[in-house]
Amino acid sequence: DGGITQSPKYLFRKEGQNVTLSCEQNLNHDAMYWYRQDPGQGLRLIYYSQIVNDFQKGDIAEGYSVSREKKESFPLTVTSAQKNPTAFYLCASSPGTKGAEAFFGQGTRLTVV
Amino acid sequence: AQSVTQPDIHITVSEGASLELRCNYSYGATPYLFWYVQSPGQGLQLLLKYFSGDTLVQGIKGFEAEFKRSQSSFNLRKPSVHWSDAAEYFCAVALNAGNNRKLIWGLGTSLAVNP
Repeated sequence: DGGITQSPKYLFRKEGQNVTLSCEQNLNHDAMYWYRQDPGQGLRLIYYSQIVNDFQKGDIAEGYSVSREKKESFPLTVTSAQKNPTAFYLCASSPGTKGAEAFFGQGTRLTVV
Repeated sequence: AQSVTQPDIHITVSEGASLELRCNYSYGATPYLFWYVQSPGQGLQLLLKYFSGDTLVQGIKGFEAEFKRSQSSFNLRKPSVHWSDAAEYFCAVALNAGNNRKLIWGLGTSLAVNP
């Protein structure tokens, strides 16, 4: 089945530790996105990538980093510089063509204690 | 600046009643519009999309939406709501500026369904 896989579904980390969230897609999509979701704040764009080896900051990139070494993979690292990392993180992909919709993974809930 | 507004943060309807969720957008060019649904703790699923042509578009799960350019609106409707429709609903506009391809999101409308 084609789709987007995020892992793990739940993640717990101690404050001050970096953590990497996985996102893999087998849809052959060029574009990939990371969103953060907090109650009442909708989806906020962290980073996005439209081709391999290239990515751009979104609206709330501070404290996060990404890489796009392969078309299929777009991991997100939440660094210790992120002041409030506990949230629900969503990865999405898109063909990247004009007006194309995004396809979403099931999300990772990160809790930092 | 481009923006999407969903005026209703939370809506409660009775099962079997009709539903309309509002979405207004601010975008200078021809809009590409989407409605997504999210169940608790899950990712988002596309309900329907509008690119051009017929302004009334049909989606999955019995939903439809109507694009009204004069009102900058793209409201989502369903004639008869089922308990399983309880979820969060998001409206989005596709931003297409040069090589910049991303979606602008509304803050969502939470739908509760009374039995």
